[in-house]
Amino acid sequence: GDSVTQMEGPVTLSEEAFLTINCTYTATGYPSLFWYVQYPGEGLQLLLKATKADDKGSNKGFEATYRKETTSFHLEKGSVQVSDSAVYFCALSDDGGSYIPTFGRGTSLIVHP
Amino acid sequence: DAGVIQSPRHEVTEMGQEVTLRCKPISGHDYLFWYRQTMMRGLELLIYFNNNVPIDDSGMPEDRFSAKMPNASFSTLKIQPSEPRDSAVYFCASSLTGPGTEQYFGPGTRLTVT
Repeated sequence: GDSVTQMEGPVTLSEEAFLTINCTYTATGYPSLFWYVQYPGEGLQLLLKATKADDKGSNKGFEATYRKETTSFHLEKGSVQVSDSAVYFCALSDDGGSYIPTFGRGTSLIVHP
Repeated sequence: DAGVIQSPRHEVTEMGQEVTLRCKPISGHDYLFWYRQTMMRGLELLIYFNNNVPIDDSGMPEDRFSAKMPNASFSTLKIQPSEPRDSAVYFCASSLTGPGTEQYFGPGTRLTVT
């Protein structure tokens, strides 16, 4: 079946540091890939997405590139802020299955001033 | 435009009691999802509806759980009887065109069963 594997957190960074959160996946079909963010006490919200190989999704300074050859969708940001502290979820929706999204376990990011 | 609305935000109940969680999806969204989030199991899809009809309830843990969507603007998730292991955050989400597209999540209901 489909699966998403994320690096375990928490990831702790100082403000203005470079961020990478790794995400790899397995899928039976050709999935769309997503990053969601969950701020404390809130529901998940879509951060960015990519629907085909080599697409780059970007939003709020975050970006991720759909790499079919390595089945990866790593999240990056060049300079994090304290307000980026949240839990980040990688997810996929597989056109070879039911399209129901499969979520990773989430990676907590803590940014210190 | 209001997002997905859930109530209550917090619920504390005793084991054996009935619990009803409520959700109002975004107007015009044809799909509604119920998720459960725990530290142990992460985010799990319980059930989803399309045009008020349950499509996949394979994630519902057992017969104690039931979900209904009597109209396009309202859904409930009921647990009867509740057990301590049901303690979790329950999210409702809706989407416009299908399970594979962007989902809009509500703020969640934190359920504690003592």
